[in-house]
Order: sequence, then structure tokens, then C-alpha cells
Amino acid sequence: AQSVTQLDSQVPVFEEAPVELRCNYSSSVSVYLFWYVQYPNQGLQLLLKYLSGSTLVKGINGFEAEFNKSQTSFHLRKPSVHISDTAEYFCAVSEGGYSTLTFGKGTMLLVSP
Amino acid sequence: DTGVSQNPRHKITKRGQNVTFRCDPISEHNRLYWYRQTLGQGPEFLTYFQNEAQLEKSRLLSDRFSAERPKGSFSTLEIQRTEQGDSAMYLCASSGTGLNSYEQYFGPGTRLTVT
Repeated sequence: AQSVTQLDSQVPVFEEAPVELRCNYSSSVSVYLFWYVQYPNQGLQLLLKYLSGSTLVKGINGFEAEFNKSQTSFHLRKPSVHISDTAEYFCAVSEGGYSTLTFGKGTMLLVSP
Repeated sequence: DTGVSQNPRHKITKRGQNVTFRCDPISEHNRLYWYRQTLGQGPEFLTYFQNEAQLEKSRLLSDRFSAERPKGSFSTLEIQRTEQGDSAMYLCASSGTGLNSYEQYFGPGTRLTVT
């Protein structure tokens, strides 16, 4: 069965600094990969997804992620963060053609002025 | 497109009571998912429907939990004889078919507190 590891529970960063949120997965079959963002008291919003093709995926709000099959990673990056990016970020995987998602525990991104 | 809606947004109940939550998916989506999210954790899959058929259930879905989607539109999730461990956020999501099935749209969730 697949699993998702988000090593950092919290990432503090100053406004306009770059950020990387790490995600590693384990699976014995082909996977699709996703990043979701959750603002306080709201549902999850899809940031970006990797289904196939180019391993560098661009999403909304200036975020991008790179699929690395050999390292089984899908790290999320943004070159310059804003205060409004403060939220919880979840990495998720679906495996082998199934559409149900397995999520990591989340990383809280804390952007301060 | 008004997005996925869930009602109620908050529910406080006493242990042993039954509760029912409703999810209205995006109108053209024929897949509907339920997830549960506890504090400090990511969402965990509970069950999903394609149209009115319940195609998959997680081992997390004990026999006190039942979900329905009678006409392939809205869905209900019922928890019988609630326990304190059922306190969580219950999230509903919907998606289309084919490659669109991998893009799930989430509702705001129903937060359940069992006292």
C-alpha cells in the first residue's frame, strides 16, 4: 500500500524568501501526485498535480513541484512567499489507477513579515 | 458552479447519539468521496461512490458508519452510537470521470465534536 511522508510539520519563513516543502512517497506501482492547500476553517484546494509528462509541474499562486521517480519525491517550491501563503499544505498520492487519495500529515507554512 | 457544499458545518453531540451529515457535490460530477481528518493529521479516505454505487470502503469505516447516495446526486454519512473517537472533520469531495477523476474538489467539511 502507498504511503506519503511529509518530514516537516512546520516551516517558518520570512516574506519574499524562497520555500521548499518536502514530500516523499512509497509505492510499488505507478502513482499520480498532488499538492493541496488548506486555509483555516476551509476545505482543501488543489494547488497542482502530476499525472504524466513533464516532471516539473506548475500550479496556482506561483507554486511548482518536481516529480523525481528515482528519489520517490514530489517537493513543492515557491521562489518568493507572501503572508497570504500561510496555510497547511498536504501532499497526496493515488496509486495504480485508483482515484482515492492517500495524504501525508501536512506541513504548516508560517510566513512572517 | 457553486462548488461542493456540506451541512451542517459544525455538529456537537453526546456520546451514543446518532448523527447524519450531508454532502452536495458539483452538479456534473459523478464521483463522490468521504474523508475524515483528525487534528494534526491529513485526511483519511473513508468511502467513495460512482453515481449511486458505493465502490470502495476503507477499513476505517466501522459498522457504525453508513453512507448513501440514493439518486447519484447528494450523499449522506451517518454515524450511529457516536464515540469520542469519532470527533473529527468529515470532508466530502467530488470529481468527474477518466483523467478528471483524479482532480477532486473538496467541500468545507463538517466538524463533529462528541462530548
